[in-house]
Amino acid sequence: QLQLVQSGAEVKKPGTSVKVSCQAYGFTLTDYFIHWVRQAPGQGLEWLAWINPNNGDLRFGQKFHGRITVSRDTPFNTVSLEVRSVTSDDTAVYFCARGGTIYGGSSNGLDVWGQGTTITVSS
Amino acid sequence: SFELTQPPSVSVSPGQTAWITCSGDALPKQYAYWYQHKPGQAPLLIIYKDIERPLGIPERFSGSTSGTTVTLMITGVQAEDEADYYCHSSDSNDVWVFGGGTKLTVL
Repeated sequence: QLQLVQSGAEVKKPGTSVKVSCQAYGFTLTDYFIHWVRQAPGQGLEWLAWINPNNGDLRFGQKFHGRITVSRDTPFNTVSLEVRSVTSDDTAVYFCARGGTIYGGSSNGLDVWGQGTTITVSS
Repeated sequence: SFELTQPPSVSVSPGQTAWITCSGDALPKQYAYWYQHKPGQAPLLIIYKDIERPLGIPERFSGSTSGTTVTLMITGVQAEDEADYYCHSSDSNDVWVFGGGTKLTVL
């Protein structure tokens, strides 16, 4: 069964960093782009970034450049998102999702999603 | 920067047809994708590459495209279709963005 399993909810203080992991089951992570998406309370979906786990290539949403890091741990079929210097605006549910294959052709969409990880930033 | 514009809300009665539009300058050159999102759940891909429907998605969901606008059509709307709907696409640098989302209310 195709699955992405994310790490658990966290509460963080402003100015600290938070890391969310995403482990793939049923498919090889390095064959697909992995995207990160978040939804703040009462807001819409917001795209953050994607990573090519095969070679580490990255793209970020303009707003997040320099403040987020996406990394891969391919032996464990895992990617992670780190957000630095968090503020209350980073309070959100964070999702990882499987994108298209890395072998070319247009994406078939974000077809497998993690369960979501709630990050709360509060002093 | 690349933007996608959706109406904030659409309301329809059960059995009627709902249209949700998404406009963006890059859409003539880039594919669009549609997601259904219900509270407490992960988003669900319902249309990919403008008009394709993934396996398991009901036929009442369809997509179309014309110039800078893509449209999600839901025919014979059911109560279970009440959700937020988002379009998603990328620019030429493979940076992605979601539309602001459309809340579909089934009256």
